[in-house]
Amino acid sequence: QKEVEQNSGPLSVPEGAIASLNCTYSDRGSQSFFWYRQYSGKSPELIMSIYSNGDKEDGRFTAQLNKASQYVSLLIRDSQPSDSATYLCAVNGGTDSWGKLQFGAGTQVVVTP
Amino acid sequence: GAGVSQSPRYKVAKRGQDVALRCDPISGHVSLFWYQQALGQGPEFLTYFQNEAQLDKSGLPSDRFFAERPEGSVSTLKIQRTQQEDSAVYLCASSSGPKAFFGQGTRLTVV
Repeated sequence: QKEVEQNSGPLSVPEGAIASLNCTYSDRGSQSFFWYRQYSGKSPELIMSIYSNGDKEDGRFTAQLNKASQYVSLLIRDSQPSDSATYLCAVNGGTDSWGKLQFGAGTQVVVTP
Repeated sequence: GAGVSQSPRYKVAKRGQDVALRCDPISGHVSLFWYQQALGQGPEFLTYFQNEAQLDKSGLPSDRFFAERPEGSVSTLKIQRTQQEDSAVYLCASSSGPKAFFGQGTRLTVV
């Protein structure tokens, strides 16, 4: 069983709608949680980080974390064609493995005009 | 520099050849990581440096893989006797805290 799980998609979203991406993780000691966006053939780009339970908003992006349920999500509001990419969920194990990110396989998002 | 720089961007190696991949992290970033990304998968952790110290190499798939960061800045990932299964994108990332920033990667193709 992979330690970070995501639906692979593709998730098809009409332009202007909300895209909802989900991620679950197995390590209860995980401390930091990240969402990366990766365009085809490009490197991952950090778009959101969240460290405590609740919601964190940044522009059109909202990250939600529920440590009790071992669940982190990303909402993209007013989706644009430029949001079409693969979104990677990444989890950091804690201060003794501070640099070691565990990634999910990614969810492909396709925003249709 | 402004971002993490990796070279070469593309490398084609014949099976059995040794390769060296270079990573120049963001200036001042203490931590440096190497990841391997296969097609359609998320990046997989290979190894981690804090300054020149290699603190975790648990993800290196075999003893053919070796990484170094002798002066605590530029790092090199070396793969000896390359095999077809080594074909992947090798990503380097650096950080000065919990957030890691990635370079453009080196796409290695072993033929």
